[in-house]
Amino acid sequence: EVQLVESGGGLVQPGGSLRLSCAASGFTFSSYSMNWVRQAPGKGLEWVSYISSSSSTIYYADSVKGRFTISRDNAKNSLYLQMNSLRDEDTAVYYCARRSLQAVECAFDIWGQGTMVTVSS
Amino acid sequence: AIQLTQSPSSLSASVGDRVTITCRASQGISSALAWYQQKPGKAPKLLIYDASSLESGVPSRFSGSGSGTDFTLTISSLQPEDFATYYCQQFNSYPHRLTFGGGTKVEIK
Repeated sequence: EVQLVESGGGLVQPGGSLRLSCAASGFTFSSYSMNWVRQAPGKGLEWVSYISSSSSTIYYADSVKGRFTISRDNAKNSLYLQMNSLRDEDTAVYYCARRSLQAVECAFDIWGQGTMVTVSS
Repeated sequence: AIQLTQSPSSLSASVGDRVTITCRASQGISSALAWYQQKPGKAPKLLIYDASSLESGVPSRFSGSGSGTDFTLTISSLQPEDFATYYCQQFNSYPHRLTFGGGTKVEIK
């Protein structure tokens, strides 16, 4: 079964750090570019970051640039998001999402179940 | 940055109804648009990619159309399991930016 499973969420104080992980299974992880997408409580979806299959290309949303770092380990079939200098507005469910190879343009065909990050004192 | 405006933000409909949701881009994006369905407490699910291509396994009552700035998602005959929130999403390759619309909540009338 094709699957993405996030972990690492939790409660952290403003200014703190957290590292999220996403474990992939059921597909050739190294062939796919990956993304993080977040959703604040009761709000819509916000793209956070992108990493190409070989890690050669990385992009961030302006709202997290300089604070978050995306990475991957293809040998471990894992995606990561290092989050530093966390702010209240980073409180959200964080999803990892696989970019579809079927789509000409960017679309996410597989999503994890999400992990909740709460930034609060 | 390209903005996506969905309308309506919510709607009430009955089982069997034909439902149309609109997504308007602030500038032309060719066919770089996808649609997702999200149920409470669940991850989004891809329905349509490249504006009109149906994702594998998605029922044929879902269809997408449009190009440039105006796009629609149509559910030809609403089923009980279709009550959810729907999001459009666009991708701009340079600079690499990906944005979602604000969502449309489809509720039971």
